[in-house]
Amino acid sequence: AQSVTQPDIHITVSEGASLELRCNYSYGATPYLFWYVQSPGQGLQLLLKYFSGDTLVQGIKGFEAEFKRSQSSFNLRKPSVHWSDAAEYFCAVGAINDYKLSFGAGTTVTVRA
Amino acid sequence: EAGVTQSPTHLIKTRGQQVTLRCSPISGHTSVYWYQQALGLGLQFLLWYDEGEERNRGNFPPRFSGRQFPNYSSELNVNALELEDSALYLCASSRGDGINYDLHFGNGTRLTVT
Repeated sequence: AQSVTQPDIHITVSEGASLELRCNYSYGATPYLFWYVQSPGQGLQLLLKYFSGDTLVQGIKGFEAEFKRSQSSFNLRKPSVHWSDAAEYFCAVGAINDYKLSFGAGTTVTVRA
Repeated sequence: EAGVTQSPTHLIKTRGQQVTLRCSPISGHTSVYWYQQALGLGLQFLLWYDEGEERNRGNFPPRFSGRQFPNYSSELNVNALELEDSALYLCASSRGDGINYDLHFGNGTRLTVT
């Protein structure tokens, strides 16, 4: 069965600084990887996804993620954080055999002025 | 386009009671996923319905059940509520399976069991 670990429960970053959120997955086959963001009081919104091909994936809101098979990682990055990026971020891995997404526990991002 | 709508937004129930949560998918979407988001645990997969059929089920006891109607809306039923059922229940819809088609999430139903 697939699983996801997000090692950082909470990250605080200054506005304008760079952000990197870590995600490690466990899955025996080729993973389908996703990053979602959940703003306060909102449902989840898809930021980006990786299925195959170029290991650097661009998403919405200026986010990107890099798939590294050797490290079983799919870290999310943003070069310059805005106050509106304060939210909870979830990494997920999908299995093509059961079409189920397994989510990590999430990382809460706080942006300070 | 209207998004995924869930009702009610908040609910307070007593242990042992039963509850029904509702989800209306985006027009044109045939798949509905249900997730439980308990504090600090991330999202746990509950159920997946597609074209009116249950396609997959997560590791939850049988007292968690649901169905999908011909108009693709869905209900999640939880019987014999326990305190640990307190969580945010999220519904998501898609044009097909949640791997090949993007999931669109509703804002959730906050269930509190006392």
